[in-house]
Amino acid sequence: QVQLVQSGAEVKQPGSSVKVSCKVSGGTFSSYAISWVRQAPGQGLEWLGGIIQIYNMANYEEKFQDRVTITADESTSTAYMELRSLRSEDTAVYYCARGALQFKELSYFDSWGQGTLVTVSS
Amino acid sequence: EIVMTQSPATLSVSPGERATLSCRASQSISSNLAWYQQKPGQAPRLLIYDASTRATGIPVRFSGSGSGTEFTLTISSLQSEDFAVYYCHQYKNLPLYTFGQGTKLEIK
Repeated sequence: QVQLVQSGAEVKQPGSSVKVSCKVSGGTFSSYAISWVRQAPGQGLEWLGGIIQIYNMANYEEKFQDRVTITADESTSTAYMELRSLRSEDTAVYYCARGALQFKELSYFDSWGQGTLVTVSS
Repeated sequence: EIVMTQSPATLSVSPGERATLSCRASQSISSNLAWYQQKPGQAPRLLIYDASTRATGIPVRFSGSGSGTEFTLTISSLQSEDFAVYYCHQYKNLPLYTFGQGTKLEIK
């Protein structure tokens, strides 16, 4: 059974950066896409971007493209999401989610991490 | 950008009754649609993919239908554990996945 375990909650100052990790156990890490989805308090789901490590290629939502970097480390089966120039509206729970289809960038998400709360406050 | 619109925003239904949730895409997404259930403090859970295929372990009372731009999630006989928020998700086009804004299913 695939399991995604994320790093712990973070409190950050406006203008700083945060890097959240997502360790994947079970299954083959490199051939499945990992996406990052966030949820502001009381709001819906918003996709930031994703990566499929075997192709070494990341895709980003245009509004985040200049502030987010998604990477993957096959040796530790861990994906990372770094968000820079943080502002108060970035306060949200950040989830990693695994694409269900092997070797496919486009897929629904069959496994999710537990979520990481990032609070941006001075 | 493909915009996903869910209706209604809130649905009040009694246990044992049927619930019907709708999701509309701003352009055709074929059958590249998934439904997720989210309970407070939890991550979303996959219910339906490819518009009508139940995910592993999902009870048969959950069913999905539709293609193109109009989709429906039906819960045939609501159980207490089904009261939650439901999201649709299109995976037709990158570089942007989009979700609906959610339907909150509450006890009447």
